[in-house]
This record gives sequence, C-alpha cells and structure tokens, in this order.
Amino acid sequence: NAGVMQNPRHLVRRRGQEARLRCSPMKGHSHVYWYRQLPEEGLKFMVYLQKENIIDESGMPKERFSAEFPKEGPSILRIQQVVRGDSAAYFCASSPPSGEWGEQYFGPGTRLTVT
Amino acid sequence: TQLLEQSPQFLSIQEGENLTVYCNSSSVFSSLQWYRQEPGEGPVLLVTVVTGGEVKKLKRLTFQFGDARKDSSLHITAAQPGDTGLYLCAGHMDSNYQLIWGAGTKLIIKP
Repeated sequence: NAGVMQNPRHLVRRRGQEARLRCSPMKGHSHVYWYRQLPEEGLKFMVYLQKENIIDESGMPKERFSAEFPKEGPSILRIQQVVRGDSAAYFCASSPPSGEWGEQYFGPGTRLTVT
Repeated sequence: TQLLEQSPQFLSIQEGENLTVYCNSSSVFSSLQWYRQEPGEGPVLLVTVVTGGEVKKLKRLTFQFGDARKDSSLHITAAQPGDTGLYLCAGHMDSNYQLIWGAGTKLIIKP
C-alpha cells in the first residue's frame, strides 16, 4: 500500500513564476491537508480538502495561493507569482473518511526554493 | 501563543542516556499524537493517546497522556543515534477536526 506521494520533491522557481505542488493521498483516503514548514519550525496548517470540496482554507494566504482536490487525480497546491518568502517545505497529509482520532499520514514534502 | 507548548525546544545528549520531552496545554484535547520527523522527510506518526492517564510503549519510547488530557510526555530510554529527529506533538480538541501542532523538540543523540 503506497504511502502519500508528493511531487516534485524539490522545485526551484524564479520570483514571479508559478509553482504547482502535487499530492496523491494514500489509497482509500479522501481527506487531504496541506502544511507549510519553515526550517527549524513546526508545521503550519494551510488548507483541508475533501474530494471536490475545500473544507477549511483558514491557513491559506488570501492572495496567490489556491488548492484543489478534483474527483480524479492528485490534489494541487498552486502558488502564483512566487516571492522569496514562499520558500519553504510544503507537506501534504491524508486521512481516511472515518479516520480514527484524526490521524494523518504525511508525504515526503516538496521543498520550494524561490530565487 | 501556541496552544501546545513543547519543551525543551532543543536537546542534545549522549547515546545511552534517558530523556523526557513534554507537550503541555491549558486546553483539553480529545486525543494527542506524537510524530517524529527526520531531516528532509515528512513527519511519521508514532502513537495516538486518547484516554486520560494512558501510557503506551513503543520499544524504548514511552508515551503518557495526562489525567486531565491537557499534557503529554515522551520518555526515551537508552537513547540511540537513530532517535535523532524533530519530535512533534499534535492534538484534536472536541468537535474540531483540525490538528493543533506544537513547535517541536529537536533531539540530537551523539554517538
């Protein structure tokens, strides 16, 4: 049973470009969460999605950031017009529909570097 | 202000020593989880505790949930270099699906 997959693992973008981060949840999981982590810091919640629905995007910046989880295919976190401050590790986690105690299973992350 | 405070923030000890790290809050949690994260990787779930006073053991790791479900501790016996990593606690409050995260304890075990 494959774990949570994220790609790319590393992404370099110039200021002003777009970054697209992909996440495929574990088989049977329909809930996806995106987190951001700066070096030497904990995880910061960004958004919680179920298939075709954004449940909670309270942690997402209001501009330039968007997320989707379509009926088919991976979840996408999209950052438009990236700035240096967007450089961070972005983690995706998934959980099953009736996840016991909300346990989340994480992917290996995408490390975004904005030059 | 973090809802979940982890201490210490950083700990460096010699192989073979014992250690305890803490996760404290003034709020009640319905469940609490501990994760370990190695450099360049995502967090890996170690354990979930749900009952006040619960103790769970995972080899040399012992996890405890406080009686009032406001705090938790992780004790490692005879630490090994392979225990090195960032230890994160995260909890669920009643009626809330969102995980509340601590800032982590960075642990280094020197050979």
